[in-house]
Amino acid sequence: AQSVTQLGSHVSVSEGALVLLRCNYSSSVPPYLFWYVQYPNQGLQLLLKYTSAATLVKGINGFEAEFKKSETSFHLTKPSAHMSDAAEYFCAVSPGGTSYGKLTFGQGTILTVHP
Amino acid sequence: EPEVTQTPSHQVTQMGQEVILRCVPISNHLYFYWYRQILGQKVEFLVSFYNNEISEKSEIFDDQFSVERPDGSNFTLKIRSTKLEDSAMYFCASSENILEKLFFGSGTQLSVL
Repeated sequence: AQSVTQLGSHVSVSEGALVLLRCNYSSSVPPYLFWYVQYPNQGLQLLLKYTSAATLVKGINGFEAEFKKSETSFHLTKPSAHMSDAAEYFCAVSPGGTSYGKLTFGQGTILTVHP
Repeated sequence: EPEVTQTPSHQVTQMGQEVILRCVPISNHLYFYWYRQILGQKVEFLVSFYNNEISEKSEIFDDQFSVERPDGSNFTLKIRSTKLEDSAMYFCASSENILEKLFFGSGTQLSVL
């Protein structure tokens, strides 16, 4: 069984500050890990994914995440927050193979960016 | 960028009624999914669908649920006899092939009264 825990349901940062959204996972198989973002009234959009190629993964909009197997973590960061980053962020894990699209999501973190 | 379209955005139904949620996946995609999110809870996998049959389903996806691709463009989720606990946001998703990223629709908010 797989599970994802996102620490902090709400994170608030100032514009220009570092964004750090935390995600820890549990998986009995080598995981595929994802970060999705959801803007109001829109669907979930893939930010980035880890598929065992490189531990530091770069995504869209300046976000990146680092896979740390020893810590079972896949935290999302962005060096400098922008007002447009305000959204809800979801970490997810997949067992891969024929179940690649069977994602297990965390509970989501709402990011607020204030001027 | 191509989009997955879901209609309606909001649907209200009475308990015990049948409801059909509709999705138009991206045209060249072959894999289709339904997820749901009950208010305050995590997004949960319901079912995956490929080659006109269910590939995988979760424990939530019991006999009250069914999926269909009736005409080659739509992908539907039917709930036969809705319960109060079926109230949730339902997301459709599609992918070009099994290891490609999922594209999600914006969801249908189902309210069962």
